[in-house]
Amino acid sequence: LAKTTQPISMDSYEGQEVNITCSHNNIATNDYITWYQQFPSQGPRFIIQGYKTKVTNEVASLFIPADRKSSTLSLPRVSLSDTAVYYCLVAPTRGDSNYQLIWGAGTKLIIKP
Amino acid sequence: GAVVSQHPSRVICKSGTSVKIECRSLDFQATTMFWYRQFPKQSLMLMATSNEGSKATYEQGVEKDKFLINHASLTLSTLTVTSAHPEDSSFYICSAIAGQKVRDTQYFGPGTRLTVL
Repeated sequence: LAKTTQPISMDSYEGQEVNITCSHNNIATNDYITWYQQFPSQGPRFIIQGYKTKVTNEVASLFIPADRKSSTLSLPRVSLSDTAVYYCLVAPTRGDSNYQLIWGAGTKLIIKP
Repeated sequence: GAVVSQHPSRVICKSGTSVKIECRSLDFQATTMFWYRQFPKQSLMLMATSNEGSKATYEQGVEKDKFLINHASLTLSTLTVTSAHPEDSSFYICSAIAGQKVRDTQYFGPGTRLTVL
């Protein structure tokens, strides 16, 4: 069963690049890594997903080393509106009788002007 | 695309009453919907997995007779909190996936804030 560990909080400034790392030492072969963003009193929103190496979309990049025991979400040039909680989710493949959707504690990112 | 709605967004009820929360996928068919509970300043806790036309699968420690889930169609799942008590007060969030794999992107509803007096 995969379990994730993230920093509880991070601060940064507008215009900076922010990197948030998630540890998942027990990740399984079929697990994918997905990052979500959550604002207060709202449901989470999908940011990016990957399996290995690097994935990039219009809002973020995801770096996954070869051993896949960690992953890093990179947010380029953050703004005040990026202040939120960021969750790293390791999701097993359906059909595994032991599958569980286990959410980590999340990282509270505060962007300052 | 991929919009999920929840209704109501906020509900206040008296202890002992039942509350129903609806989760709808508006522009896609959801093979699976998930129900989460989130207490203040805490992470999401999965309560149950709901598949259309079949019984929900509840996580360990979640009382299935207290949290009734019905997934009657590919676009609607409901969560009924029966005989609610103050300790059930929380933020309930549903999510839906269109694909066949758990790892598929979850599209989340806006959440329902339940307060039990």
